[in-house]
Amino acid sequence: GENVEQHPSTLSVQEGDSAVIKCTYSDSASNYFPWYKQELGKRPQLIIDIRSNVGEKKDQRIAVTLNKTAKHFSLHITETQPEDSAVYFCAASVAGTSYDKVIFGPGTSLSVIP
Amino acid sequence: GAVVSQHPSRVICKSGTSVKIECRSLDFQATTMFWYRQFPKQSLMLMATSNEGSKATYEQGVEKDKFLINHASLTLSTLTVTSAHPEDSSFYICSARDRQGEYFGPGTRLTVT
Repeated sequence: GENVEQHPSTLSVQEGDSAVIKCTYSDSASNYFPWYKQELGKRPQLIIDIRSNVGEKKDQRIAVTLNKTAKHFSLHITETQPEDSAVYFCAASVAGTSYDKVIFGPGTSLSVIP
Repeated sequence: GAVVSQHPSRVICKSGTSVKIECRSLDFQATTMFWYRQFPKQSLMLMATSNEGSKATYEQGVEKDKFLINHASLTLSTLTVTSAHPEDSSFYICSARDRQGEYFGPGTRLTVT
């Protein structure tokens, strides 16, 4: 089955700097890669996703890149703000039917220092 | 937007008792619902996939007789933790999926004493 790895496990950046989180996946059939932000005690919130037919996607300060050949994808947050502090999870899925499982990475705890 | 609710949000129960958690899609019909468990400072681990009108599909290592899942309608799935033990204490999160995407419930914090 699919296995998703994520690095780093913790990340501290100064406010205004950029943050990069990297993930790898094992199943070459995976074609959907969402990223979630989870604040303590809250539900995961989808912040951006990318499908395998696209190499890069951007939404304001957040961007995601995908390298299908190498089976890795990354999240980039620019101009970080204290409210970006949270745990971020990458995930991978073989999208196509409603039965598809989403497998989560272990998470990255991001701290943005004011 | 798509809203998923869970009830209860927090529950404390004694060891050996059973607890039922409800997951509802409030404004859409969910063909599939998923149940996850999240221990402190860990990731979401998929427990089972719940399909309306059929038996749930459990992930490897998840005891189907201990974690009973019922998906009675397109808007409701329930997870019953039977004979709960302290090691079952965790944050249980459901998600519901339609053709547009997957939406998470707010989670249920279970504490077994």
